[in-house]
Amino acid sequence: GAGVSQTPSNKVTEKGKYVELRCDPISGHTALYWYRQSLGQGPEFLIYFQGTGAADDSGLPNDRFFAVRPEGSVSTLKIQRTERGDSAVYLCASSSSSGTGGWTQYFGPGTRLTVL
Amino acid sequence: AQSVSQHNHHVILSEAASLELGCNYSYGGTVNLFWYVQYPGQHLQLLLKYFSGDPLVKGIKGFEAEFIKSKFSFNLRKPSVQWSDTAEYFCAVNAGTASKLTFGTGTRLQVTL
Repeated sequence: GAGVSQTPSNKVTEKGKYVELRCDPISGHTALYWYRQSLGQGPEFLIYFQGTGAADDSGLPNDRFFAVRPEGSVSTLKIQRTERGDSAVYLCASSSSSGTGGWTQYFGPGTRLTVL
Repeated sequence: AQSVSQHNHHVILSEAASLELGCNYSYGGTVNLFWYVQYPGQHLQLLLKYFSGDPLVKGIKGFEAEFIKSKFSFNLRKPSVQWSDTAEYFCAVNAGTASKLTFGTGTRLQVTL
């Protein structure tokens, strides 16, 4: 596609519920990243995939957070037993080494998660 | 670990004024440096980037930034701002190739007519 897409754009859930957030990267981009942005802050890194494997998951805050990218394209961020502190905008980005971009990360519009 | 500091949290300028937003980073190795912009209601967009070579880089919409290695700085400049430049600006750094970005807390720029 033309850019990174994320669904849903908004998600409201209740404390303790399970949520899945989806990211569809730019076609051909091998690297995919998840970030979380709280109000008044810059994005914070969660996890990065190179192909199907997680190359760096050092930003995942705890074991309630998990992400997959089974076919090396679309990725799903999964949050179990949601807490009110998980409320934020979850951003996805993708990149590749091709052209002059040189692994420049391009961001999607984000999913705004609200945990009541 | 990498860190990024943006000194100005909220800047208000009149149209045609000059802009300089500060960005300092902390990292001992080779870095790539970026400025992203987020216009109201829109997603993060790349403004400009520095990988290597000429430390003065030019981006879209008349923005430029200068990498000063000795000062660990990558300040963003524009000689004459427009009302349409009202947005939030984020400085970011990574350690090269495909690695994660570390962002500053952002600077909200408000341009008045």
